[in-house]
Amino acid sequence: SAVISQKPSRDICQRGTSLTIQCQVDSQVTMMFWYRQQPGQSLTLIATANQGSEATYESGFVIDKFPISRPNLTFSTLTVSNMSPEDSSIYLCSVEGGRGRWNTEAFFGQGTRLTVV
Amino acid sequence: AQSVTQLGSHVSVSEGALVLLRCNYSSSVPPYLFWYVQYPNQGLQLLLKYTTGATLVKGINGFEAEFKKSETSFHLTKPSAHMSDAAEYFCAVSAYSSASKIIFGSGTRLSIRP
Repeated sequence: SAVISQKPSRDICQRGTSLTIQCQVDSQVTMMFWYRQQPGQSLTLIATANQGSEATYESGFVIDKFPISRPNLTFSTLTVSNMSPEDSSIYLCSVEGGRGRWNTEAFFGQGTRLTVV
Repeated sequence: AQSVTQLGSHVSVSEGALVLLRCNYSSSVPPYLFWYVQYPNQGLQLLLKYTTGATLVKGINGFEAEFKKSETSFHLTKPSAHMSDAAEYFCAVSAYSSASKIIFGSGTRLSIRP
């Protein structure tokens, strides 16, 4: 299994500002993923972060709004830029763990609960 | 393409009663199916998954789910609910076992009555 630590666990931010969320994994992983969970809704994949290359964004998400860094195999950051109240969500970091095609699963951090006022 | 539909955004059962959380999926290829649980203020934890083989899958905390291809369903059950089972439950589907291709359902909040 993988242990994932996210910081901060929660924050209240002013609109127009930016917040950087950190994700630390206790083992080296190839891919790290960032999800958004809007209030009362399910998880939506924002982007996939690979070490040494630019992140791959899903439809509806752009690098200018959600820049991602992946400096090494155990760490990633997601920045929520120029925030508005619509960005109020839980942001979760995830990694793929396990061995073999049939044993992989996704491990999640505890999430960052962001409120934009 | 894959999609997941969870029937019932909120389910309430009495302690000791059967828990049944419904999930139907759509997939153009053989699916991999997952159930995740999210306790308050925590991340997601994998309850169980189906990738291949036996269609009845047993997970943690006494939960199990049965893959029924003919019904395109993957309902989650537990014979006897416990107060600690109160949480949000997400059904998810993937065409691969890769975490990057997981599509989540809208979630079902399970409440347990004393």
